[in-house]
Amino acid sequence: QVQLVQSGAELKKPGASVKVSCKASGYRFSNFGISWMRQAPGQGLEWLGWISGYNDNTIHAPKLQGRLTVTTDTSTSTVFMELRSLTYDDTGVYYCARDGIAVTSPGLADYWGQGTLVTVSS
Amino acid sequence: DVVMTQSPLSLPVTLGQPASISCRSSQSLVHSDGNTYLSWFQQRPGQSPRRLIYKVSNRESGVPDRFSGSGSGTDFTLKISRVEAEDVGVYYCMQGKHWPQWTFGQGTKVEIK
Repeated sequence: QVQLVQSGAELKKPGASVKVSCKASGYRFSNFGISWMRQAPGQGLEWLGWISGYNDNTIHAPKLQGRLTVTTDTSTSTVFMELRSLTYDDTGVYYCARDGIAVTSPGLADYWGQGTLVTVSS
Repeated sequence: DVVMTQSPLSLPVTLGQPASISCRSSQSLVHSDGNTYLSWFQQRPGQSPRRLIYKVSNRESGVPDRFSGSGSGTDFTLKISRVEAEDVGVYYCMQGKHWPQWTFGQGTKVEIK
């Protein structure tokens, strides 16, 4: 069965960086992409970025350009999301979700990871 | 960006009664492949979102048939025919047609009266 397993909770200071992993299993990694979403406390869902599992093409939400890097390790079917220069507004639960394979693929978000709580606090 | 607008944002429902959530997009969600990429997600308290409905009206495997999706173009609806206690949570619509980013509705909180 398809599973996305994320790394554990993180506590970071303002200005620091965080790197969250998402390990995929149960399907051919190169046939799909992975999107990252986040949810601030008590708030809705926000799409952050996407990476193809086939050719490493990526797209980021414009508001995060320059702070967000999404990469893959195809040998372990793992996707990494790194967010730099953290502020208090970056506090929330970060989710990975399986998505389309190409830049022009329609959005899927058919399977989700369990979420990773990132807390930014001094 | 495509804006997704849900209503109502809060929906108290009596057990066994129907519930309906509306979602409107600021642009058409009809893709060049002929499909309409509107999905519905359920997020129970403390859990990850779960996709219930995709391409407007297709139920995911294992989703009870009391959930149904309908609509076209820019106006969509999620209906629960008879609300059960396990349906409590927040429901989101999401457009998957317009790059460069998917957008979600604000969420509708379903609770039992």
